[in-house]
Amino acid sequence: NAGVTQTPKFQVLKTGQSMTLQCAQDMNHEYMSWYRQDPGMGLRLIHYSVGAGITDQGEVPNGYNVSRSTTEDFPLRLLSAAPSQTSVYFCASSSLWDTYGYTFGSGTRLTVV
Amino acid sequence: AQSVTQPDIHITVSEGASLELRCNYSYGATPYLFWYVQSPGQGLQLLLKYFSGDTLVQGIKGFEAEFKRSQSSFNLRKPSVHWSDAAEYFCAVGAGYNDMRFGAGTRLTVKP
Repeated sequence: NAGVTQTPKFQVLKTGQSMTLQCAQDMNHEYMSWYRQDPGMGLRLIHYSVGAGITDQGEVPNGYNVSRSTTEDFPLRLLSAAPSQTSVYFCASSSLWDTYGYTFGSGTRLTVV
Repeated sequence: AQSVTQPDIHITVSEGASLELRCNYSYGATPYLFWYVQSPGQGLQLLLKYFSGDTLVQGIKGFEAEFKRSQSSFNLRKPSVHWSDAAEYFCAVGAGYNDMRFGAGTRLTVKP
């Protein structure tokens, strides 16, 4: 089925470890983004991209890196995991012609101990 | 600064009853407005969106929302709730790719 695929679904990290959350979409969407969801806080934008080779910071970018080498993939890297990064992470994409109607992945639940 | 408020953290309604979920926003101009639904363990699914024009917007799954400029509100409604509507609902507002703000969500429980 077409959509946004996130891997892994669950991950436990130790403080200081690094990892990459994967996000892939097969809808040829130009726009891709990463959000984190924390209880009582809704979703907050981490990083976003409007096309291959173009990325920018969102509301809470510290501790995260992204790159966009292809239209399909938008990985999120945690450089040195901290307990404050325990959260559920969502990747979203949209066509630039669909004015912000996002398609979301099913999420990655990350726990940092 | 722009913000989105969903005043109700948790709402319980009986199956077949009507539903209204509240959303208020603070924004410099009329933003784009959205409602999303999230089932347990799933990502968010777009229910409906408002950009301009008719202030009553129809969405999927029988939902509708009404934009009221004077009240800075965009409340979600459904005339008759089904057990499968139990989920978390998020209101979102924005005017740009790095400008989208989500509310904290309202969890809906449906009683049989």
